[in-house]
Amino acid sequence: DAGVIQSPRHEVTEMGQEVTLRCKPISGHNSLFWYRQTMMRGLELLIYFNNNVPIDDSGMPEDRFSAKMPNASFSTLKIQPSEPRDSAVYFCASSAGGRVRRTDTQYFGPGTRLTVL
Amino acid sequence: GIQVEQSPPDLILQEGANSTLRCNFSDSVNNLQWFHQNPWGQLINLFYIPSGTKQNGRLSATTVATERYSLLYISSSQTTDSGVYFCAVTNYGGSQGNLIFGKGTKLSVKP
Repeated sequence: DAGVIQSPRHEVTEMGQEVTLRCKPISGHNSLFWYRQTMMRGLELLIYFNNNVPIDDSGMPEDRFSAKMPNASFSTLKIQPSEPRDSAVYFCASSAGGRVRRTDTQYFGPGTRLTVL
Repeated sequence: GIQVEQSPPDLILQEGANSTLRCNFSDSVNNLQWFHQNPWGQLINLFYIPSGTKQNGRLSATTVATERYSLLYISSSQTTDSGVYFCAVTNYGGSQGNLIFGKGTKLSVKP
């Protein structure tokens, strides 16, 4: 298995531009997570999908952030408009667990390093 | 919410030495994972260990859920073990499956 795939690996953009991050979870996994890592706040959950449905988006910083999962093999995280404080590494993770069996191992993608100038 | 504390925050070892990393958590958990973040930023899953003991080569982990802590043992450390080790948990009473991460232990293994 190729593991969790994220693209792009690096993104440099200017303030105000739209940024779209992409994730392909491990085949057969039904839970998908978006995390953000910064020096100040460490690793924190942004949003969690189960069976393509958003379960908890309380970690999404503000309305500039949105996430979709149109099917079981693809998810996007969009920032519009982007700001310098959004600079961080964004990780996507997937697991075979769900709303009932929440305890499965999460596997992380390589991350997207976002720099907003 | 649940608190996750890792110690020590930083650790410097000579190659070949052994070490123990600790993770304390403030509430019952139904998921605990140890990760290694390598110098390239990749988060690599080491153990899924909400309770009990597991071993994988030079690494082993023990979680004592009733006392709310977990230990990661690294034996005969190598320079490739350098990086940050994270403990992450899911609160047993939580409504989501999301992991709450500790701040990590930064390990540097010198040749």
